[in-house]
Amino acid sequence: EVELVESGGGLVQAGGSLRLSCAASGFAFGAHWMTWVRQAPGKGLEWVADIKGDGSARHYLNSLEGRFTVSRDNVKTSVYLQMNSLRAEDTAVYYCVRNLGFHRLDSWGQGALVTVSS
Amino acid sequence: QSALTQPPSASGSPGQSVTISCTGTNSDVGGYNYVSWYQQHPGKAPKFMIYEVDKRPSGVPDRFFGSKSGNTAFLTISGLQAEDEADYYCLSYGTGSVALFGGGTKLTVL
Repeated sequence: EVELVESGGGLVQAGGSLRLSCAASGFAFGAHWMTWVRQAPGKGLEWVADIKGDGSARHYLNSLEGRFTVSRDNVKTSVYLQMNSLRAEDTAVYYCVRNLGFHRLDSWGQGALVTVSS
Repeated sequence: QSALTQPPSASGSPGQSVTISCTGTNSDVGGYNYVSWYQQHPGKAPKFMIYEVDKRPSGVPDRFFGSKSGNTAFLTISGLQAEDEADYYCLSYGTGSVALFGGGTKLTVL
């Protein structure tokens, strides 16, 4: 059974940094793209970033302006989201998601809440 | 990277059918057959319901049906049940490998 468990969320001041982790199990981790999706309180879903199975390709939401970096460790079967220069509008639940390719997001973690105080 | 357009709300009575639309452009919905749909109950993670326009993952009831015409995709739910009440989101692959979500539709079962 696919399991995705996020950690590292919390309260941070505007301008600060935070690193989210997602531990994956139950599938061939290195064979899959992984994606981060966020959801601001009371709002809709927003794709943030994704990374190819071997780490050779990454894509980002344009409006992030280079503040976020996605990475992975296939030995530890984990994916990460480094978030710098955080802003109040980055406040959201961040979901780690398995991506079957072409943004077919079939398995979701429970989410990690990031709150940025201004 | 503009969001896809969904109606904010939809409703239907138990047993009826309801259709939710998702409108994009020929750079996303209209240009690729990689439209998927997600169901989200309050406080829960989204659930994968439809992929590649009209395919259902294992375990999704065949009451859920996806289709597409031009730049608009559709999710039809037939035989509405109380547990179908949820938020529904469409997602499309777009040019440049971007992912575009719709704004979400809140489905109420009357």
